[in-house]
Amino acid sequence: GENVEQHPSTLSVQEGDSAVIKCTYSDSASNYFPWYKQELGKRPQLIIDIRSNVGEKKDQRIAVTLNKTAKHFSLHITETQPEDSAVYFCAAPAPLTSGNTPLVFGKGTRLSVIA
Amino acid sequence: NAGVTQTPKFRILKIGQSMTLQCTQDMNHNYMYWYRQDPGMGLKLIYYSVGAGITDKGEVPNGYNVSRSTTEDFPLRLELAAPSQTSVYFCASTRGREEKLFFGSGTQLSVL
Repeated sequence: GENVEQHPSTLSVQEGDSAVIKCTYSDSASNYFPWYKQELGKRPQLIIDIRSNVGEKKDQRIAVTLNKTAKHFSLHITETQPEDSAVYFCAAPAPLTSGNTPLVFGKGTRLSVIA
Repeated sequence: NAGVTQTPKFRILKIGQSMTLQCTQDMNHNYMYWYRQDPGMGLKLIYYSVGAGITDKGEVPNGYNVSRSTTEDFPLRLELAAPSQTSVYFCASTRGREEKLFFGSGTQLSVL
């Protein structure tokens, strides 16, 4: 089945600096790669996603890049702010051969933005 | 739309008790899921459903049961609660398999 590895597990940055979180996946047929943000005590929420027909997608200070050849995708947050502090999860679809099994999540990255 | 609604928000159970976590969505999504999240950890899939009458096991199904009699509702049943089931439980739904997941607000369960 799909294996999604996420690095780093924790990340501390100074306010205003950039943060990058990387995920690798194993199924070359995967075509959809979302990122979820979970603030302390809250539910995970989708912040950005990318499909394999594009290599990069931006939404204000966040961007996701995809390298299908290397089977990895990354979340980039620029000009970080304290409210960016949260746990971020990447995900990729399980192979269709596994039936309708939904997204496989990475183990998460705890981002701390230090003011 | 209310989205995905979970009840209760908090619950304390004694070992061996049973309970049902309720989940309902008003977005007419076919896909519904139950995840558990242990403190400081990631999301583990318990059960999922691709439509009314269809359910499948996820990564950690032992000790749980589900049913999907309607498109809207996907309750999770805990039988004979154990301390290892202390966790936060999230219900979620999607329109399709590779679509945005909408999560409920979670149920914090403690088994003592």
